[in-house]
Amino acid sequence: AQSVTQLGSHVSVSEGALVLLRCNYSSSVPPYLFWYVQYPNQGLQLLLKYTTGATLVKGINGFEAEFKKSETSFHLTKPSAHMSDAAEYFCAVSLTRGFQKLVFGTGTRLLVSP
Amino acid sequence: EPEVTQTPSHQVTQMGQEVILRCVPISNHLYFYWYRQILGQKVEFLVSFYNNEISEKSEIFDDQFSVERPDGSNFTLKIRSTKLEDSAMYFCASAGQGANEQYFGPGTRLTVT
Repeated sequence: AQSVTQLGSHVSVSEGALVLLRCNYSSSVPPYLFWYVQYPNQGLQLLLKYTTGATLVKGINGFEAEFKKSETSFHLTKPSAHMSDAAEYFCAVSLTRGFQKLVFGTGTRLLVSP
Repeated sequence: EPEVTQTPSHQVTQMGQEVILRCVPISNHLYFYWYRQILGQKVEFLVSFYNNEISEKSEIFDDQFSVERPDGSNFTLKIRSTKLEDSAMYFCASAGQGANEQYFGPGTRLTVT
């Protein structure tokens, strides 16, 4: 069975500071990995995904994540936080074969202060 | 840009009543999903649907739940007899050929009183 662990239910940063949101996964086979963002009262928007190939993936809004197989991690980073980045961020994993379900982590709420 | 739409945005119903949540997936997509998110908790998979049949369902998706694709555009989730614990945000998602990226709708907030 697959699972996702997101360390830290809340992360607070100052505007302009580095954003680091942690995600570790467990999967019996090489997974597909995703980061989704949820703004208040809105749905889930895909930030970025790792399927195959380059382990450093770039997404929208300046976010990127690196797949590290040896550490079973897929941490999300952004060099400089903006106020508009304040949202809930979900890491998710799926099996690579077929149209598999997404298994989500519990989410991390990012708070950005001026 | 194509998007997944869901109606209604908010549904209030009494315990024991039937509800139908509606979704219009992206038009050329082939794979369809329902997820739910109880307030303050993580997003949970309910069911996946392909080629007019259920591909996988979770333990949550019991006999009270059903899904249907009644025509070429809509994808519905029916809860036959709602319980208080069914109160949640329900998300529809769809994926195209290859199915390695799911697009989510804005959700329907279901409140069972």
